Amino acid sequence: NAGVTQTPKFRILKIGQSMTLQCTQDMNHNYMYWYRQDPGMGLKLIYYSVGAGITDKGEVPNGYNVSRSTTEDFPLRLELAAPSQTSVYFCASSRGYTQYFGPGTRLTVL
Amino acid sequence: AQTVTQSQPEMSVQEAETVTLSCTYDTSESDYYLFWYKQPPSRQMILVIRQEAYKQQNATENRFSVNFQKAAKSFSLKISDSQLGDAAMYFCAYRPSGGGADGLTFGKGTHLIIQP
Repeated sequence: NAGVTQTPKFRILKIGQSMTLQCTQDMNHNYMYWYRQDPGMGLKLIYYSVGAGITDKGEVPNGYNVSRSTTEDFPLRLELAAPSQTSVYFCASSRGYTQYFGPGTRLTVL
Repeated sequence: AQTVTQSQPEMSVQEAETVTLSCTYDTSESDYYLFWYKQPPSRQMILVIRQEAYKQQNATENRFSVNFQKAAKSFSLKISDSQLGDAAMYFCAYRPSGGGADGLTFGKGTHLIIQP
C-alpha cells in the first residue's frame, strides 16, 4: 500500500512551457485534491475532485487544469508556465474528513 | 471565508521539555474539523492530531495533545517530552463538516526548533 504517490519529485520549467504533475492513490479514496505551498506559507487549494469525471475549482485555480478519468489518478496540468507558479505542489486524497498527502513536487519556473 | 492564524512564526524548546503551539481560526460554521500537520525537512505532510468540533473532549495522541476552546476559536497543540525528531514546521488546518470534498484551510505554520 503506497498511499499517495507523486511524480516527478523535482522539475525546472522555462516560461511558457507546459507539463503535467502526476498523482496516484491506491487507497480507493473518492476525494482527491491539489494544493500549492509557497515559501513561508501554508498550503492553498488549487482544484479538487469528488470522484471520476467530477472536478471543481479551489482557492487558486488560475493557470491550472485537472482531469479525473479514474478513481486512482488526478493529474494537474500547467499549460503556460509562469514564474508565479514556482512552488511545491501536493496531492492529497481522503474518504472521510482526514486528508493524506503525497510527498510533493518542487517546481521551479525560470 | 474561513481563516486560520498561527501567530508564532518560530518556537524553540529544550529537549524533554513541553511546548505549546498556538492556532486561532475564524468561521461561522458550528460543526467542523481541526488538524495539526507536521512537515519535516523531507516536506512530507504528516497528520499529528485531529479534533471534531462537536466533541468537547480534547484529542490526545501519545505525547501530543490539544487544547480546544470552541468559544474562543482556539486550537493549540501541546508537545510533551520534546524529542529531536519533533523539529519541523507545524501547520494548523480547518475544514467544515459539510460531508463533501472540502479542502483544508491552513495557517502559515510555526517552525519548531528542538535544542539538545
